[in-house]
Amino acid sequence: AQSVTQPDIHITVSEGASLELRCNYSYGATPYLFWYVQSPGQGLQLLLKYFSGDTLVQGIKGFEAEFKRSQSSFNLRKPSVHWSDAAEYFCAVERSNDYKLSFGAGTTVTVRA
Amino acid sequence: GAVVSQHPSRVICKSGTSVKIECRSLDFQATTMFWYRQFPKKSLMLMATSNEGSKATYEQGVEKDKFLINHASLTLSTLTVTSAHPEDSSFYICSARKTSGAYNEQFFGPGTRLTVL
Repeated sequence: AQSVTQPDIHITVSEGASLELRCNYSYGATPYLFWYVQSPGQGLQLLLKYFSGDTLVQGIKGFEAEFKRSQSSFNLRKPSVHWSDAAEYFCAVERSNDYKLSFGAGTTVTVRA
Repeated sequence: GAVVSQHPSRVICKSGTSVKIECRSLDFQATTMFWYRQFPKKSLMLMATSNEGSKATYEQGVEKDKFLINHASLTLSTLTVTSAHPEDSSFYICSARKTSGAYNEQFFGPGTRLTVL
């Protein structure tokens, strides 16, 4: 069975500073990996996804993520955070046979002025 | 774009009543939709997979008689919480799977907040 671990429950970062959110996955086959962002009381918005090819993927809002098969990781980064980046971030892996998504526990990002 | 709506966005009901939540793909057809439940400060838990024209498949531990799912058309899936109790209070989110190009992406609705008194 696939699983996703997000080791950091809560991260606080200063506005303008860089941000990195960690994600480790467990899946037997080639993973389809995703990062989503959720604002309070809202649904999920896709930031970026990885299927194959270039291991560094660019997403919306200035985010990028790097797939490292050797480390089973898919960490999310942003060079300079904005106050509007304060939200909950979820990493997810999709099972290829039935498209079911497994989500990590999420990381809450707080941005301080 | 690919937009998924949910209705209602928020519902409060009395214990013992049933509540229906709709999930619609507004600008695409979705043969498969998924229903998730999210507790406060928690991750999303997949409840069931809704397939158009067939019975839903439920994840282990999810009561199918409690959470009735119907996927009557390619743009609509409904989740009915039957005989709701306070422990059913939660944030319910649906997603719809869109066929586009080489990959079929899931798009999420904005969620429905259910409060059972």
